[in-house]
Amino acid sequence: KAGVTQTPRYLIKTRGQQVTLSCSPISGHRSVSWYQQTPGQGLQFLFEYFSETQRNKGNFPGRFSGRQFSNSRSEMNVSTLELGDSALYLCASSYKVVVDTGELFFGEGSRLTVL
Amino acid sequence: QQQVKQSPQSLIVQKGGISIINCAYENTAFDYFPWYQQFPGKGPALLIAIRPDVSEKKEGRFTISFNKSAKQFSLHIMDSQPGDSATYFCAASIVGGANNLFFGTGTRLTVIP
Repeated sequence: KAGVTQTPRYLIKTRGQQVTLSCSPISGHRSVSWYQQTPGQGLQFLFEYFSETQRNKGNFPGRFSGRQFSNSRSEMNVSTLELGDSALYLCASSYKVVVDTGELFFGEGSRLTVL
Repeated sequence: QQQVKQSPQSLIVQKGGISIINCAYENTAFDYFPWYQQFPGKGPALLIAIRPDVSEKKEGRFTISFNKSAKQFSLHIMDSQPGDSATYFCAASIVGGANNLFFGTGTRLTVIP
């Protein structure tokens, strides 16, 4: 069974640009969540989608947005990039409705560098 | 504001030794506490998890100790091996609170042969 696939794995952007990251969850998983990982902050929750609906959103500015398609694939977008957006963006999927009944399966992440 | 505080930031242990990582939380609504392990270039993977109705859970060399009154929990790795060298994250979630976890800042463990 294929794992969570994230593309692209690495990308470099300049300040002010926008970026779109893609995530394909494990087949059959309807929940997709996104996390930002930085050395000082660990993993910070961005948002979670379940059956195309955003169920939960973390404390990030509106420049961060996402969506989920009918096949459960998800994208996240960051507009007007800032230097501080440089991070590893992780996608996680789950076949469970709530995390305490099942684990999150993470992809290997998309490493974004903003110059 | 970090809802789950984790220490130490880094840890170096001799092969065969015990690795101990500590976490603390404030939100009493948290009711599920997993630990994730992350190797370089990989995403985190679930290692072990506990609910507050038990004080300890053991899986092989990995043990979670939980102190509900102190709002603290810890991961103990017995007989630490070089292959355990990774970054460990504690986390917490609210039961029924959708699929989002509040993570600690991580502990980079290095086990010296």
